[in-house]
Amino acid sequence: DQQVKQNSPSLSVQEGRISILNCDYTNSMFDYFLWYKKYPAEGPTFLISISSIKDKNEDGRFTVFLNKSAKHLSLHIVPSQPGDSAVYFCAASEGGGGQNFVFGPGTRLSVLP
Amino acid sequence: EAQVTQNPRYLITVTGKKLTVTCSQNMNHEYMSWYRQDPGLGLRQIYYSMNVEVTDKGDVPEGYKVSRKEKRNFPLILESPSPNQTSLYFCASSLWGTGEVGTEAFFGQGTRLTVV
Repeated sequence: DQQVKQNSPSLSVQEGRISILNCDYTNSMFDYFLWYKKYPAEGPTFLISISSIKDKNEDGRFTVFLNKSAKHLSLHIVPSQPGDSAVYFCAASEGGGGQNFVFGPGTRLSVLP
Repeated sequence: EAQVTQNPRYLITVTGKKLTVTCSQNMNHEYMSWYRQDPGLGLRQIYYSMNVEVTDKGDVPEGYKVSRKEKRNFPLILESPSPNQTSLYFCASSLWGTGEVGTEAFFGQGTRLTVV
């Protein structure tokens, strides 16, 4: 049973519009969450993180929102650019971060020009 | 340049022939780990190491071995590969800490392994 779920395998968005990628988790002990981006033939690269003491973290065009009661987080990309086309993985860990992250299955984002 | 280097990038082998995938990082990170990526399953942790000579099993350790004799290196060993180990493998390293800035993982470029 997957502890971290990304229920949308793919998402297509027009350039300039907002991309919203969703992630749900089942383990209430998770308290640190990250998003990674992955291009073909490359390893995942860190994008943005949030700890459970916050409900929002922003970095440029990227914002992550955390709803602890719903065990849900989302990544907003505004405005979306063609270079954002990639697979996005949500990851979670417990114990204040640590490094034993549990990853979701990923969502493939396509930003159309 | 800070990086995690895996070798080889691509490998085709036959069932039962022992192989090693190397991983090296130049960031002096304490923590290193191996993941495999399979369609629909995301990245699943195979083994991890919190420091030299300290290793432990992740979620899917069966059929794999690791060693951590030096801080920078963390090889993944398949003693007797089987077709169900055909996958995309990633090595990662990070600082050992308690979340927030600095503990995100840095990944290698991946090793695509095919076992026939």
